[in-house]
Amino acid sequence: NAGVTQTPKFRVLKTGQSMTLLCAQDMNHEYMYWYRQDPGMGLRLIHYSVGEGTTAKGEVPDGYNVSRLKKQNFLLGLESAAPSQTSVYFCASRPGTTREKLFFGSGTQLSVL
Amino acid sequence: GIQVEQSPPDLILQEGANSTLRCNFSDSVNNLQWFHQNPWGQLINLFYIPSGTKQNGRLSATTVATERYSLLYISSSQTTDSGVYFCAVEKGLGNTPLVFGKGTRLSVIA
Repeated sequence: NAGVTQTPKFRVLKTGQSMTLLCAQDMNHEYMYWYRQDPGMGLRLIHYSVGEGTTAKGEVPDGYNVSRLKKQNFLLGLESAAPSQTSVYFCASRPGTTREKLFFGSGTQLSVL
Repeated sequence: GIQVEQSPPDLILQEGANSTLRCNFSDSVNNLQWFHQNPWGQLINLFYIPSGTKQNGRLSATTVATERYSLLYISSSQTTDSGVYFCAVEKGLGNTPLVFGKGTRLSVIA
């Protein structure tokens, strides 16, 4: 049982390049989230999904897009990377209607030069 | 939106000491969770505790929902307790995201 798996773990981009971060969970969770973590800022929500085919904006959505075509996968896209998007990205998931524990992936460290 | 404040922001302890971390929130909540981020960046869920008290080994947590705060107690601290502790809350009924505080950075020195 892998839990929440993020790929890649590290990536370096040049300004203007695009990339997709993949989050996969094998716990049949309904809700999935993308957070970014910057020094001194805690965890800030980028986008989230409450079920297959649904997405919603979080606190800092600008410059990112997401898709949830399959229940187990939640993709985060950067269409034109900027240095301000240098951060550590965490994916998380939890079961649906019950307010249960949130489980995190191991993170993706992204540097935009 | 709901505000989450954690204190202290930084804490240094000698191994074996006890500590209390605090989380204050600005509105009533239906969900409160504590997380530990270890020095390698991994985030582990410690407690789901919207109210009451729970214990897990040397760690325990208490949430007083009516007074809008939660406390995380660490007893007999060990170097492996080092890292950042986050509190996260949710006002809604499960379909709204958790809002995180900025964390308490704990360093336990041998």
